[in-house]
Amino acid sequence: AQTVTQSQPEMSVQEAETVTLSCTYDTSESNYYLFWYKQPPSRQMILVIRQEAYKQQNATENRFSVNFQKAAKSFSLKISDSQLGDTAMYFCAFMPPLSSGTYKYIFGTGTRLKVLA
Amino acid sequence: DTGVSQDPRHKITKRGQNVTFRCDPISEHNRLYWYRQTLGQGPEFLTYFQNEAQLEKSRLLSDRFSAERPKGSFSTLEIQRTEQGDSAMYLCASSPWGGSGEYSPLHFGNGTRLTVT
Repeated sequence: AQTVTQSQPEMSVQEAETVTLSCTYDTSESNYYLFWYKQPPSRQMILVIRQEAYKQQNATENRFSVNFQKAAKSFSLKISDSQLGDTAMYFCAFMPPLSSGTYKYIFGTGTRLKVLA
Repeated sequence: DTGVSQDPRHKITKRGQNVTFRCDPISEHNRLYWYRQTLGQGPEFLTYFQNEAQLEKSRLLSDRFSAERPKGSFSTLEIQRTEQGDSAMYLCASSPWGGSGEYSPLHFGNGTRLTVT
């Protein structure tokens, strides 16, 4: 069964600094999708960044980038120039291919990030 | 694009009562998911619809839970004979079908917070 592990329940970072959130997953599939979602306090979950496993190049979205290590089954999120608005729960999510027979996205337990002024 | 809408935002009910939640996905999104999230945990998959067809249901889901998506538009999630353990945030998410099998990210609603007393 596929699993997603986020080993950092809470993290904090000073404004304008860089922080990395870790995520590991377990799967026997070779093609799949990985996502980072952000859930601000009392607000809806939104997509931060996505990565297709067949792409070797790491995805980037403005201040957000990932370090995708397929062999190690690791998918960390780097936030550069942290801003107060980045304070949120961050969830790593895994989506197996259709051929696996499931449609569900599997989420980790989350990392609570606090950006300090 | 008005986003995914969920109603009600909050529901307080007594143990043993039935409750029903509604989700209106983004127009033209034919994929719809229900997830449950408890405090400090990541979203847990409940069920998946592709258009009006319920294609996947969590094996952990009690038969007290039922979901429908008539006509492939809005969806309802009903919980019968509620228990205190059902207290959680119930999230709805939708996405378009990639056609080629590629997955599009999920768009989440604000959720319905259920409290069973």
